[in-house]
Amino acid sequence: QQPVQSPQAVILREGEDAVINCSSSKALYSVHWYRQKHGEAPVFLMILLKGGEQKGHEKISASFNEKKQQSSLYLTASQLSYSGTYFCGTEFSGGYNKLIFGAGTRLAVHP
Amino acid sequence: NAGVTQTPKFQVLKTGQSMTLQCAQDMNHEYMSWYRQDPGMGLRLIHYSVGAGITDQGEVPNGYNVSRSTTEDFPLRLLSAAPSQTSVYFCASSYSGTGTDTQYFGPGTRLTVL
Repeated sequence: QQPVQSPQAVILREGEDAVINCSSSKALYSVHWYRQKHGEAPVFLMILLKGGEQKGHEKISASFNEKKQQSSLYLTASQLSYSGTYFCGTEFSGGYNKLIFGAGTRLAVHP
Repeated sequence: NAGVTQTPKFQVLKTGQSMTLQCAQDMNHEYMSWYRQDPGMGLRLIHYSVGAGITDQGEVPNGYNVSRSTTEDFPLRLLSAAPSQTSVYFCASSYSGTGTDTQYFGPGTRLTVL
């Protein structure tokens, strides 16, 4: 049931864009995105809900395709501070928050 | 608010020893959970609690016990440590625990079992 994230790693220069995908084999109720810097705790970015409601981070956007059971995270005009590992957490029922996380996508932004 | 706090930050155990990882939150959150993070595996849910006195198992509960006597605290007990339990452990909390709720993570405990 673990969602598949792609790509596994991305290297960018400042100002470039990136897309990180999260795909599930099971129907999704919500997708949660987190960013984790080395040696630190994961930090919440945004939640995408079945039905299209979106919450989240002002400088990073995301989409949720219910038919494809897939979410994509869009990082535009990347900054050095975007470096880290991005995780998607998937939840299937809308009930209690039993998130199943993907293995992560490592993003490095260079000057 | 301190948010979610965890102690200790680092711990080394010998195989067979037991210990308790502490987790506390001061946000009056009903839902608390424990995850372990291994390289290349992401975060895996061990146990969670939807309120004081109520706990349930996650993906990887074997070898761990939890209890929740207060809203604030959610300790994780390793009964007999094994090298396979070497990992980084994160505690998280959220207001209601529903699938639309944001989880806040603690700083983690890095555990090594020799």
